[in-house]
Amino acid sequence: QVQLQESGPGLVKTSETLSLTCAVSGFSISSGYYWGWTRQSPWKGLEWIGSIYHSGGAYYNPSLKSRVTMSADTSKNQFSLKLTSVTAADTAVFYCVRSAGSGSPFDSWGQGTLVTVSS
Amino acid sequence: EIVLTQSPGTLSLSPGETATLSCRASQRVSSSYLAWYQQKPGQAPRLLISGASSRATGIPDRFSGSGSGTDFTLTISRMEPEDFAVYYCQQYGSSPPLFTFGPGTKVDIK
Repeated sequence: QVQLQESGPGLVKTSETLSLTCAVSGFSISSGYYWGWTRQSPWKGLEWIGSIYHSGGAYYNPSLKSRVTMSADTSKNQFSLKLTSVTAADTAVFYCVRSAGSGSPFDSWGQGTLVTVSS
Repeated sequence: EIVLTQSPGTLSLSPGETATLSCRASQRVSSSYLAWYQQKPGQAPRLLISGASSRATGIPDRFSGSGSGTDFTLTISRMEPEDFAVYYCQQYGSSPPLFTFGPGTKVDIK
C-alpha cells in the first residue's frame, strides 16, 4: 500500500522560497503515475499546485506556474516542490498526492504539513 | 478554467437519513472526469468516487455518484456516524492536465 509523507520547514519568511519533499513508500515512483502537490487554506480551499511524472515532465496550475518548480528523485523515491516569492497568502496545509494520470483523480494523499509564511 | 459550485453549503441530517449533495460545473466536464472526496477534521481528503459514478476501492455501497455534463450528485444512503464530514467535488481535465475543486459541502449531525 502506497504511503506519502511530506516534510519541510513549517515556517517560511515572506519573499523567500518554500521547499517541501514527499517521501513515497510502498510504491516506486519510477513505475509510473503522476506525483503532485495540492494545498488547502481557509481562503482558497483546496488548490492543485502541480504534478510531475517520474521522468520529469511536469504540469503546473497556471495561476502558480511562474513560481513553482517540481522535481523527482527516483533514487530516493521522493519528489519535491519549490514555491518562490511566498507571501502570507501561501500559508496553507500542503498535501502530496498521487494520480494514475492526467485524466485521473488523486487516489492517495499524504497526511499534510502546515506551512506558515510570516515576516 | 472550469469553476465548480457545490450546494448546499451545509447539510444537517440525522443518522439513517439520506444525503444528497450537488456539484455544478461552469462548463461541461469532459468524459465525466468528476470525483468526490470526503474529508474529516485533521485528515487528508479521501477519494470516494471517480468518473462521476465509480466507487473507489473500499468505499461502501451507500455512497453513489451520478450525473454528467455540468450537473453531478453524490448520494449517501443511510448516513452512518462516520459519514459526517466535508465533501468536495473535483474535476480533472486531461488536456492540459488541470485539477479544480469545489468549495465543499459540510454534512453535520442535526
